[in-house]
Amino acid sequence: DAGVIQSPRHEVTEMGQEVTLRCKPISGHNSLFWYRQTMMRGLELLIYFNNNVPIDDSGMPEDRFSAKMPNASFSTLKIQPSEPRDSAVYFCASSSDPGGGTDTQYFGPGTRLTVL
Amino acid sequence: GDSVTQMEGPVTLSEEAFLTINCTYTATGYPSLFWYVQYPGEGLQLLLKATKADDKGSNKGFEATYRKETTSFHLEKGSVQVSDSAVYFCALFTGGSYIPTFGRGTSLIVHP
Repeated sequence: DAGVIQSPRHEVTEMGQEVTLRCKPISGHNSLFWYRQTMMRGLELLIYFNNNVPIDDSGMPEDRFSAKMPNASFSTLKIQPSEPRDSAVYFCASSSDPGGGTDTQYFGPGTRLTVL
Repeated sequence: GDSVTQMEGPVTLSEEAFLTINCTYTATGYPSLFWYVQYPGEGLQLLLKATKADDKGSNKGFEATYRKETTSFHLEKGSVQVSDSAVYFCALFTGGSYIPTFGRGTSLIVHP
């Protein structure tokens, strides 16, 4: 398996622009997580999907952020409009159905976002 | 709620030194415990895990033992290499919870 795939790997944009990050989870995994990593705040969970349905979006910073999972093999995280404080590395991770307490998360390589 | 506390880094060692990275946790129920490693420019990847008390997880020379009495899961390696330089995250996952809890991460720097 190719693992979790994220695109783009790097994104540089100007403040106010729309940014869309993409993720393809591992085939057969039905849980998907979006994280944000910064030096100041560490690793933060933004949103969690199970079977394509958003279960917990309490970590989404504000209305500028939105996430979708139209099918089991694709998810997007959109920021509109982007701000310099959104600069971070964004990770997507997938796992098989949680609840058993032993599930490993598989992370993608991340998208490094820089908002000028 | 659940929480994970890791020692602050960076931890700086010479090659072949002994490594310990402390991790303690608080959790409701009986969590599974994990160590993830993040190499520069990459995503996190599972290093080892333990699912019940007294279990020892091991991988690539790293070990950690699930200590319920001290609520700890310290990571150890007998002889580190330069290639072990990375950020290490301790995490827990409680059955019935859908979301894992990660620590802040500990940076390890190994010098030749």
